[in-house]
Amino acid sequence: AQTVTQSQPEMSVQEAETVTLSCTYDTSESNYYLFWYKQPPSRQMILVIRQEAYKQQNATENRFSVNFQKAAKSFSLKISDSQLGDTAMYFCAFMKGVVQGAQKLVFGQGTRLTINP
Amino acid sequence: GAVVSQHPSWVICKSGTSVKIECRSLDFQATTMFWYRQFPKQSLMLMATSNEGSKATYEQGVEKDKFLINHASLTLSTLTVTSAHPEDSSFYICSAGDYNTGELFFGEGSRLTVL
Repeated sequence: AQTVTQSQPEMSVQEAETVTLSCTYDTSESNYYLFWYKQPPSRQMILVIRQEAYKQQNATENRFSVNFQKAAKSFSLKISDSQLGDTAMYFCAFMKGVVQGAQKLVFGQGTRLTINP
Repeated sequence: GAVVSQHPSWVICKSGTSVKIECRSLDFQATTMFWYRQFPKQSLMLMATSNEGSKATYEQGVEKDKFLINHASLTLSTLTVTSAHPEDSSFYICSAGDYNTGELFFGEGSRLTVL
């Protein structure tokens, strides 16, 4: 079974600062995907970034980037130039890779991020 | 982008009654949908995997007779909480998988309060 661990229950930074959220996972699968989701107070799950395990290059999406260390099974999220709208719960998630169709997501415990003005 | 609609967004019911929550994929076919439960300040816990035209697969510890799942079409899955009790009060979230791309899309969630 796969497990995802987020060791930081809460984090708080000042606006415009850079913050890194940690995530480790455990799996015996060779083909998988990793995700970071954001859940604002509205509770709508929003995909922030996705990483395919077979890709060595770290994924980036504007101010969001990941540090994917496959051997260490680590997948951290870096938010640059943080904004007030980044305040939310952030979940790291794992999905097994399949040829077609969809697989379930396994979520970490979440990190509550607060951006202070 | 693809949209998943979940209805109702919130519902209050009396103890002992049953409540149905719908999850619809609006612009893609979803052969697989997933139902999650989220308690306040906690993570999402998978309850079951719903497959179109077949029985749902429940996670360990989830009562299948309590949480009835039906996935009768490629765009609709329903979760029925039967004989609801206050401890069933929670936030329920569905996600639908696009069969062609494998992408997952989340519904807006449904907050259930059982009095």
